Amino acid sequence: KQEVTQIPAALSVPEGENLVLNCSFTDSAIYNLQWFRQDPGKGLTSLLLIQSSQREQTSGRLNASLDKSSGRSTLYIAASQPGDSATYLCALYTGGFKTIFGAGTRLFVKA
Amino acid sequence: GAGVSQTPSNKVTEKGKYVELRCDPISGHTALYWYRQSLGQGPEFLIYFQGTGAADDSGLPNDRFFAVRPEGSVSTLKIQRTERGDSAVYLCASSLSGGANEQFFGPGTRLTVL
Repeated sequence: KQEVTQIPAALSVPEGENLVLNCSFTDSAIYNLQWFRQDPGKGLTSLLLIQSSQREQTSGRLNASLDKSSGRSTLYIAASQPGDSATYLCALYTGGFKTIFGAGTRLFVKA
Repeated sequence: GAGVSQTPSNKVTEKGKYVELRCDPISGHTALYWYRQSLGQGPEFLIYFQGTGAADDSGLPNDRFFAVRPEGSVSTLKIQRTERGDSAVYLCASSLSGGANEQFFGPGTRLTVL
């Protein structure tokens, strides 16, 4: 059974710091991995989608990497800003119809 | 519409009542998903529609939960005899054709069962 773990569960950093969020999974047979952002009381906003054949994707200050063999993905946020404060979720599509989510990392960027 | 919409945004009901939650996906998206999110957790899969049919309803917790998508667009999640444990945020997502395509989420419906 696929399990998805996100570490740390919460993170507080000063503005301007570069940071890395981690997502690990137990079964490397995945089709894609998607990173989302969720603001309090809101739905999910898609940040980056990495297909299984890719190793990374970049969008602005965000870079996501995927290493299927080690069961890991990282989300790198450069030059963090207070507006980056949110919960970040990773999700795996493993075939069939289900997508499996991690519990998320709550990020707080202090001004 | 530009994105996935869900109504109502908040629903408060009493234990034992019936509720309906509505999802309007992005126009042209054939795949539609329902998820449930409890506080501090990631979304949990409930049901997946491809067109009008429920291709996978294995995530529905019990027979009090039912969902329909009669015309392949709008979907309604129906919960009978609500229980306090049903309180959660119910999220809907759509994608172009399911599978490995990117999912786009609505803002969710926060259900509170008193």
